[in-house]
Amino acid sequence: RKEVEQDPGPFNVPEGATVAFNCTYSNSASQSFFWYRQDCRKEPKLLMSVYSSGNEDGRFTAQLNRASQYISLLIRDSKLSDSATYLCVVSQASGGSYIPTFGRGTSLIVHP
Amino acid sequence: EPEVTQTPSHQVTQMGQEVILRCVPISNHLYFYWYRQILGQKVEFLVSFYNNEISEKSEIFDDQFSVERPDGSNFTLKIRSTKLEDSAMYFCASMGQIDAKTIQYFGAGTRLSVL
Repeated sequence: RKEVEQDPGPFNVPEGATVAFNCTYSNSASQSFFWYRQDCRKEPKLLMSVYSSGNEDGRFTAQLNRASQYISLLIRDSKLSDSATYLCVVSQASGGSYIPTFGRGTSLIVHP
Repeated sequence: EPEVTQTPSHQVTQMGQEVILRCVPISNHLYFYWYRQILGQKVEFLVSFYNNEISEKSEIFDDQFSVERPDGSNFTLKIRSTKLEDSAMYFCASMGQIDAKTIQYFGAGTRLSVL
């Protein structure tokens, strides 16, 4: 069974802290990788794509390790508004379509 | 910014009734998806749709479920005879390309409550 695994947390950190999440995936044929953010009872929203060379967007840095089949998300200088669930999403192509598999998410709580 | 819209935001129904959940994907997108998320659990893929037909479906998407794109803009999910365990958030998504990456955009979801 193709799975995406995440530590559910919660990660409870003070404002300004740096926090990192990891995600492992089992399907070596996976081609696209994403981090989504989901607020309570809301839809998932794309946070960032994850590129092979790693990529940064402001306070957020994503890394991909294909050999070990994991991706990571680093959040620097945490803000209260970063409190949410972070979903790891891995896609593989199937007959011209992309089928994403979601992890259960990692809960982050940033406190004052 | 273009968005995926879903209606209704909340649907309450009796067990055994049929429900239709509606979605308007982003206009120039070609791939459409339905997901569900049972409260407290992960987002689960149900079905993908391309070129007016189902391209992939999960084991959850059994004969009780069907999808249609009746008029070129709406994309619907029908549940023929709802069960208590169908209670969940149902998200529609459409997919397009940005910088050679395929990106999914989600609607705000329909909360289905089966009583």
